[in-house]
Amino acid sequence: GAGVSQSPRYKVTKRGQDVALRCDPISGHVSLYWYRQALGQGPEFLTYFNYEAQQDKSGLPNDRFSAERPEGSISTLTIQRTEQRDSAMYRCASSLSWSVVNEQFFGPGTRLTVL
Amino acid sequence: QQPVQSPQAVILREGEDAVINCSSSKALYSVHWYRQKHGEAPVFLMILLKGGEQKGHEKISASFNEKKQQSSLYLTASQLSYSGTYFCGAPSGNTGKLIFGQGTTLQVKP
Repeated sequence: GAGVSQSPRYKVTKRGQDVALRCDPISGHVSLYWYRQALGQGPEFLTYFNYEAQQDKSGLPNDRFSAERPEGSISTLTIQRTEQRDSAMYRCASSLSWSVVNEQFFGPGTRLTVL
Repeated sequence: QQPVQSPQAVILREGEDAVINCSSSKALYSVHWYRQKHGEAPVFLMILLKGGEQKGHEKISASFNEKKQQSSLYLTASQLSYSGTYFCGAPSGNTGKLIFGQGTTLQVKP
């Protein structure tokens, strides 16, 4: 079946612009996670959802970052007034549920470059 | 708190063995292992649970010492396809929120 998809795969934007990154999880997966990954580093947790409810947003760097999953499926991560330090690979992952025994399936990521 | 992985990098010849370690300063409910090849997404390898239960689909073995809050990944008779960066992830609390280690880069040469 289809895996996790993300769009766009690459996004180049100018400092100060807003960007919206989309994640389409595996069908039927309850939990959806957003991570940010710097080159050569492990994924860094940003936020996650169970169904449409945002359970934990403690990893969002500041209030310019927000995420939603209004219908419990597709999720959008929005970064307002982008800054150069926001440049990174943004990955989403989904899992059957939030249980610690469920593996997460990662999407291909969106490479964000802020000029 | 981020798990600590060791070593940071390993270079092997095909057929050699390697061990990658992951330790945490906090109690672990489980340990997740992922492998990431250059330019690709992390791919699930296995989950180790309290009580010794394992869940995975690769021909890779691992251990989980709950008391020591450590896990080790054993790569035996390594193949070229084993090359990549290995990450361990520790759940934060009893949720699926994973905190990943900094990674161990494995290079297998012919």
